[in-house]
Amino acid sequence: GQQVMQIPQYQHVQEGEDFTTYCNSSTTLSNIQWYKQRPGGHPVFLIQLVKSGEVKKQKRLTFQFGEAKKNSSLHITATQTTDVGTYFCAPKAAGNKLTFGGGTRVLVKP
Amino acid sequence: DSGVTQTPKHLITATGQRVTLRCSPRSGDLSVYWYQQSLDQGLQFLIQYYNGEERAKGNILERFSAQQFPDLHSELNLSSLELGDSALYFCASSVDGGNQPQHFGDGTRLSIL
Repeated sequence: GQQVMQIPQYQHVQEGEDFTTYCNSSTTLSNIQWYKQRPGGHPVFLIQLVKSGEVKKQKRLTFQFGEAKKNSSLHITATQTTDVGTYFCAPKAAGNKLTFGGGTRVLVKP
Repeated sequence: DSGVTQTPKHLITATGQRVTLRCSPRSGDLSVYWYQQSLDQGLQFLIQYYNGEERAKGNILERFSAQQFPDLHSELNLSSLELGDSALYFCASSVDGGNQPQHFGDGTRLSIL
């Protein structure tokens, strides 16, 4: 079955710095979604990537889909305290259900 | 507000008991998903229903069951509860069978004493 690995599991970031979280799948994907869960909240959909090599930006967040459609990354620039939370990737292979990665928990040091 | 409603918000019960969690999806959404999230853990997919039919099954225990009714609301039944079943249970809904974004409810926090 489809295996999903998200790294790092934890990310401690100094406010103002950049960081990247990665999502790797064992199978070629049809699309990948990203979600954010604030502490005490529920996961909220951020974005969906469909095309090979696709790059999408949301303000300070940059999402990228790998050329081989087996991995994805989320890069956050100039981290703010509002970025605190857990970021989940949710890749989907054709014929399979969406699978959530283990998440990257982001802690911001002011 | 995601438009997905889950009740109750909190549930405290004892081992061996049975509980029912309820979810009303967003208006127009046909799929309902159930997830279990233990303390500081990831989202464990339990089961998905699409337009009343079971669509996909994850790591759902035999003690757990679910259904989706004609009005598209869903219930998750947990029986013979064990201490390890204490967790946050999320319901999510999407407009289609699995390609579109999922919208999550606020969850039901289940505590087993």
